[in-house]
Amino acid sequence: GENVEQHPSTLSVQEGDSAVIKCTYSDSASNYFPWYKQELGKRPQLIIDIRSNVGEKKDQRIAVTLNKTAKHFSLHITETQPEDSAVYFCAASIIQGAQKLVFGQGTRLTINP
Amino acid sequence: EAQVTQNPRYLITVTGKKLTVTCSQNMNHEYMSWYRQDPGLGLRQIYYSMNVEVTDKGDVPEGYKVSRKEKRNFPLILESPSPNQTSLYFCASSTFRGGYQNTGELFFGEGSRLTVL
Repeated sequence: GENVEQHPSTLSVQEGDSAVIKCTYSDSASNYFPWYKQELGKRPQLIIDIRSNVGEKKDQRIAVTLNKTAKHFSLHITETQPEDSAVYFCAASIIQGAQKLVFGQGTRLTINP
Repeated sequence: EAQVTQNPRYLITVTGKKLTVTCSQNMNHEYMSWYRQDPGLGLRQIYYSMNVEVTDKGDVPEGYKVSRKEKRNFPLILESPSPNQTSLYFCASSTFRGGYQNTGELFFGEGSRLTVL
């Protein structure tokens, strides 16, 4: 089955700097890659997603890139702000009859003022 | 307000005492799923359901049961809880209906923190 590895497990950056979180997946058939953000004590919420027919997607300060050949995808956050502090999860899924999202281990991002 | 509601939010129980965590959504979603969250392991899928009376195992189904008798409800049952089931549990629902065109954002409940002594 699918396996998703996420790095780093913790990341600390200065406010205003950029943050990058990377994930690799094992199943070349995976074609949907969402990112979820979980603030402390809260539920995970979708922040951005990308399909395998797209190489990059942006939404204001966040962007996701996908390299299908290397089977990895990354989350980029620019001009980080204190409210970006959270745990971020990547996930991979094969969209085909059923949705079995496999999540990465999570990255705890801390934005230092 | 669109939401996924889980109960209880916190529970401490003892080994072997059957318990049920309820999950209800008011968004008329067909897809529902249970995840457990453990430090360093991320979110792991326990069971999911594509529709009423249709359920299937996720990646870590051992020790759990589910049922989907109504579209809005998807309870998680621990018949004989053990300490290794101590975890934070999330129920989620989605607009996903199958097929490549519909990916489906997961809407999570607030989580249920379970401790088994």
